[in-house]
Amino acid sequence: NAGVTQTPKFQVLKTGQSMTLQCAQDMNHEYMSWYRQDPGMGLRLIHYSVGAGITDQGEVPNGYNVSRSTTEDFPLRLLSAAPSQTSVYFCASSASFNEQFFGPGTRLTVL
Amino acid sequence: AQSVTQLGSHVSVSEGALVLLRCNYSSSVPPYLFWYVQYPNQGLQLLLKYTSAATLVKGINGFEAEFKKSETSFHLTKPSAHMSDAAEYFCAVSDSGGGADGLTFGKGTHLIIQP
Repeated sequence: NAGVTQTPKFQVLKTGQSMTLQCAQDMNHEYMSWYRQDPGMGLRLIHYSVGAGITDQGEVPNGYNVSRSTTEDFPLRLLSAAPSQTSVYFCASSASFNEQFFGPGTRLTVL
Repeated sequence: AQSVTQLGSHVSVSEGALVLLRCNYSSSVPPYLFWYVQYPNQGLQLLLKYTSAATLVKGINGFEAEFKKSETSFHLTKPSAHMSDAAEYFCAVSDSGGGADGLTFGKGTHLIIQP
């Protein structure tokens, strides 16, 4: 099993550009989440999904969209990137009442 | 709403000394509590979790944590620090068991090991 995979590992965008951060898991987990990590802030929940077709907002959803068309994939979209979205993004997945498994992260810089 | 407070953004201990990382939480329901470790430029790895089965929880790499409801605490300890323990440590809480609606994290504690 590859676990949770994220692409790309690094990305540089200009303000206003759009992009999609990819996340996939091969553990057949129901639940998937996106977090951003900023220095001194810990990890903050952006969006989460409890199954295919079901998503909801977390603590810091503004500027991000998600969809969950399959159990395996949970992409995160930035429609118009802003410098405030410079961060490290982590995707996670879990089964019911179990630990979350984290991907390796995507380091995003918005100029 | 849940919240987690980690006391001390940086903790420095000597190699071989006791490691104590503090975590206090607030939750409206009996919580699920977690400690994660993050090594430089890596993702998060679960150290241990509390799910109400036992108040003293043993994890990987010699770490353990004790759930104290009266103090709303879940402090992480290790009897003897090793250089390889240098990392960022995060305490997290969930009302739903850690899966359905994500985790609420503390801001993290950077553990420094002095030789």
